[in-house]
This record gives sequence, C-alpha cells and structure tokens, in this order.
Amino acid sequence: RKEVEQDPGPFNVPEGATVAFNCTYSNSASQSFFWYRQDCRKEPKLLMSVYSSGNEDGRFTAQLNRASQYISLLIRDSKLSDSATYLCVVRNSGGYQKVTFGIGTKLQVIP
Amino acid sequence: DAGVTQSPTHLIKTRGQQVTLRCSPKSGHDTVSWYQQALGQGPQFIFQYYEEEERQRGNFPDRFSGHQFPNYSSELNVNALLLGDSALYLCASGLRDRGSYEQYFGPGTRLTVT
Repeated sequence: RKEVEQDPGPFNVPEGATVAFNCTYSNSASQSFFWYRQDCRKEPKLLMSVYSSGNEDGRFTAQLNRASQYISLLIRDSKLSDSATYLCVVRNSGGYQKVTFGIGTKLQVIP
Repeated sequence: DAGVTQSPTHLIKTRGQQVTLRCSPKSGHDTVSWYQQALGQGPQFIFQYYEEEERQRGNFPDRFSGHQFPNYSSELNVNALLLGDSALYLCASGLRDRGSYEQYFGPGTRLTVT
C-alpha cells in the first residue's frame, strides 16, 4: 500500500461547482498534513495546512480524519483559475521532518 | 524577500555523465530538501539537509549525493546518469524548529538525459 494515496482524476467540473478531493495515508503516526497546488510545469505551492479541527481559507476547506486516516479538500464556487493539480502531503514523525507526497489530483474547471 | 532559487532552469546531459544542481533557500530558512518529480507523478523525496549534514534520505541510490554550505545553500549531485533520471528536480526550504513544517519550493531544474 502506498504511504499516501490520491485519485489522480482528472476531475472536470463546471465553473461555480463544489468539488472535493480525498487523500488517504497509511502511517497512523503521521503528524502534519498539507495541501499543495501545482500548475502545469511549475513548482508546488502551499495551499493550506490541515489541522485536526479542520480549517477554512476563503473558498477552500480542509478536514482531517485521524481515525480513518484521510484528509480532504473542498473547493466551493470553483473558478477557472482553480484548474491545477492538488497534491496531498503527509509529514511523518521523526526528528527531521520527512514528507511524502501523493501523486496529485488533477482538477479542470470548465466554463 | 527572496524565495527559493534554483539553477540552472534546464539541463541536457548524456547517459553516464555527472550533474550538479544548485539551490538557495528562502531567506531565514535553514533546512533544504530535494525532490525528484517524474512526469505525471508527485515529487519523490531524495534527501534533506540541516546543519550541513544529510538528515533524512528517501529511496534513492548512492549516485545521488548532496551538500549543504554554511550559508544554507545546497547542491544535488547525480553521478552516472541514467535515462530514468530525466525529471524535474525540486528544492524546498523550511525551518527546522517550525512545528508544522511548511516547505516552500523553488521553480525546479528540468533535467533531460539523452
């Protein structure tokens, strides 16, 4: 089983739609969780950290479910500019912060 | 505030050659991690440097080595290049003592091995 699993998509959604991505992780000792956004042929950029209580940043909401070992990202009112690959990232325990990326979920928002 | 910078942006090498990639971390950051991202894949962790030492290593052969300098900048060296080493190489920096460990990536070096 992969350490971090994501559905690669693509998810094709109309402008204004709400879309949700899930990501599962295998190491129950994982400590920190993040969503990154990566545009085509560009570097990943931090979208948001994921906290145990859940957190929201504008149209984006991230949730963590430790019992089921998954994190989610919800995007409301999708914009054309949201089209990108969304990478799930998990940091495991240990002194030097090894992180593992998922394969990424591709989102295409269509007019 | 300068972000993470990497050089060169693109590189073409022949099988068997050696390559050195460079990274300068974001101002104030003290850790540097290197990742390999093949087409259609997520970034794969190569190794991380802190205080000029390799602290963590992913599942990469010894052909991949690195260095961190006193000014926190870093190099990634790859020897005996294989066609499969063609990828985007990403450098990310962060703060060792920051509990949540948010990383910031450079634009990457696109390596093509022919």
